Amino acid sequence: GAVVSQHPSRVICKSGTSVKIECRSLDFQATTMFWYRQFPKQSLMLMATSNEGSKATYEQGVEKDKFLINHASLTLSTLTVTSAHPEDSSFYICSARGVGPDRGYGYTFGSGTRLTVV
Amino acid sequence: KNQVEQSPQSLIILEGKNCTLQCNYTVSPFSNLRWYKQDTGRGPVSLTIMTFSENTKSNGRYTATLDADTKQSSLHITASQLSDSASYICVVNGNFNKFYFGSGTKLNVKP
Repeated sequence: GAVVSQHPSRVICKSGTSVKIECRSLDFQATTMFWYRQFPKQSLMLMATSNEGSKATYEQGVEKDKFLINHASLTLSTLTVTSAHPEDSSFYICSARGVGPDRGYGYTFGSGTRLTVV
Repeated sequence: KNQVEQSPQSLIILEGKNCTLQCNYTVSPFSNLRWYKQDTGRGPVSLTIMTFSENTKSNGRYTATLDADTKQSSLHITASQLSDSASYICVVNGNFNKFYFGSGTKLNVKP
């Protein structure tokens, strides 16, 4: 089945530094990538949607200059949290939507990245 | 307003028992509905996906139902196991890559 590999699974960084999270679709071409964040005991909140080769569309209230999304290829998307602050500490999850039978209905999630900013 | 509501919010059952989780939605237009299992600290894993014309779909001990007329779905877990302890999330896909998430049901299976 479709697999999305997300790295790193955990990262601790100092306040003011930047962190990059990668998501790769391993056996399919991800035409669309979604990035979510999830706070403890809450559901996923969509941050942005990106289509390969074009700029990401950010949800209301999400700072595009703080959360940089790159979707330069059909198998790789990255989320960079710039100038991270403790309030950015959260669980970040990507999901990818591909094309073809069984892939056109929905999307596959990565395993998530636990970001802790100290 | 497009919404997805799940119930109960949390549930505790004994190992071996059955349980049913509910999902009601108001999303329109409707494309499909998915149930996901999310273990703590992990990404969600798809259990079932149902389109408008499908009423029931099974995946092992998981059986999902969909009533598109009443906009209700359920996820039935048979003969629960300790490993079923997780959050179960209902996600409704509208049009144009719009996904609406329920807040999830946290299931705790006890020995």
